[in-house]
Amino acid sequence: EAGVAQSPRYKIIEKRQSVAFWCNPISGHATLYWYQQILGQGPKLLIQFQNNGVVDDSQLPKDRFSAERLKGVDSTLKIQPAKLEDSAVYLCASSLVLRDYEQYFGPGTRLTVT
Amino acid sequence: QQPVQSPQAVILREGEDAVINCSSSKALYSVHWYRQKHGEAPVFLMILLKGGEQKGHDKISASFNEKKQQSSLYLTASQLSYSGTYFCGTVGAGSYQLTFGKGTKLSVIP
Repeated sequence: EAGVAQSPRYKIIEKRQSVAFWCNPISGHATLYWYQQILGQGPKLLIQFQNNGVVDDSQLPKDRFSAERLKGVDSTLKIQPAKLEDSAVYLCASSLVLRDYEQYFGPGTRLTVT
Repeated sequence: QQPVQSPQAVILREGEDAVINCSSSKALYSVHWYRQKHGEAPVFLMILLKGGEQKGHDKISASFNEKKQQSSLYLTASQLSYSGTYFCGTVGAGSYQLTFGKGTKLSVIP
């Protein structure tokens, strides 16, 4: 079974530039998550989708971050404009159902904002 | 609200046991445990639902005391492969959001 795919794996941008990350979840997984993990901390949920609907985006900085999951499969997370404090690993995860189920994480995208 | 993990770090010799604790100030529906090795993605270990049941995964087990809103992860006869950072994640009653703690770094040495 193929795992969660993410691209790019690494990205370096200057502050005020924009960047986009892509995620392809495990086939058949209805729930998709985007997490931000700053060095030395646990993953922080940014947004959670159930199929193509948003379940929770309470911690997403909506003035600069946006995410979509068209057709309930792939998802894109965008940051515009980026700030220095956005430097982190962005993890995508998916699970079969909405709650009480194992989340499978992708390899992540390491973003450095200079 | 972020759960609190203790200890922050622990060093073990192969074969020794360890306990990692996770506590929350809010009513919990479930507790999740993940392990993350350096430079890799977190990997699922187990989920505990309210009801106080204990679960096991090879030589790693966990308990969940819903009244105290606490969970503990038990690692017995540690192996070098157990090294990594262990995260507990909690889901509050009526919520779908998984909130992770800051992690416990476990190092197993020969």
